[in-house]
Amino acid sequence: DAGVIQSPRHEVTEMGQEVTLRCKPISGHNSLFWYRQTMMRGLELLIYFNNNVPIDDSGMPEDRFSAKMPNASFSTLKIQPSEPRDSAVYFCASSPDPAVGYNEQFFGPGTRLTVL
Amino acid sequence: AQKVTQAQTEISVVEKEDVTLDCVYETRDTTYYLFWYKQPPSGELVFLIRRNSFDEQNEISGRYSWNFQKSTSSFNFTITASQVVDSAVYFCALSEYGTSGSRLTFGEGTQLTVNP
Repeated sequence: DAGVIQSPRHEVTEMGQEVTLRCKPISGHNSLFWYRQTMMRGLELLIYFNNNVPIDDSGMPEDRFSAKMPNASFSTLKIQPSEPRDSAVYFCASSPDPAVGYNEQFFGPGTRLTVL
Repeated sequence: AQKVTQAQTEISVVEKEDVTLDCVYETRDTTYYLFWYKQPPSGELVFLIRRNSFDEQNEISGRYSWNFQKSTSSFNFTITASQVVDSAVYFCALSEYGTSGSRLTFGEGTQLTVNP
């Protein structure tokens, strides 16, 4: 079975450019999560979706960040305009059932973003 | 609010030593779930174990064992006879039970280095 798929794996861009990160969750999973990992702040939950609906976006740092989930098999995280402090590894994760708390989350390989 | 604390930022041991990674959590919920994830140098996050708040039985899986104690709000992880391949960052996480989904709160992580 394919796991969570993220693209690109690495992204280098210049300050001010738009960046779009993509995620394909595991088929049949109904929850999708976007995390950011940095040395300073560790793993931070940015936003999560249940059944394609955004549930909690309180972790999104500012209006430059936006996330969409147009269908059950695809989600994007967009940063516009990007800034050097956005440099981090961005993880997407999915889990089976949004109604229970015991579902483990399955993580993608991450996208390493560098903003120059 | 939930909180997970991993007080050990870094641990270094010599191969074949036993090592315990500490995790202390805070929650107001009576039903919750605790997780451990491993992040090897390759970067992906790998699920190791899940426990629910009603099951305080310790669990052993090969060289790994987990000690869950509600009285001290701790969920510690022990690796017996450590190996170089165990070198990784280990994260403890807490999930609330509820209809909003399996949102995880992660600790800061413990960097384990096993030296040959």
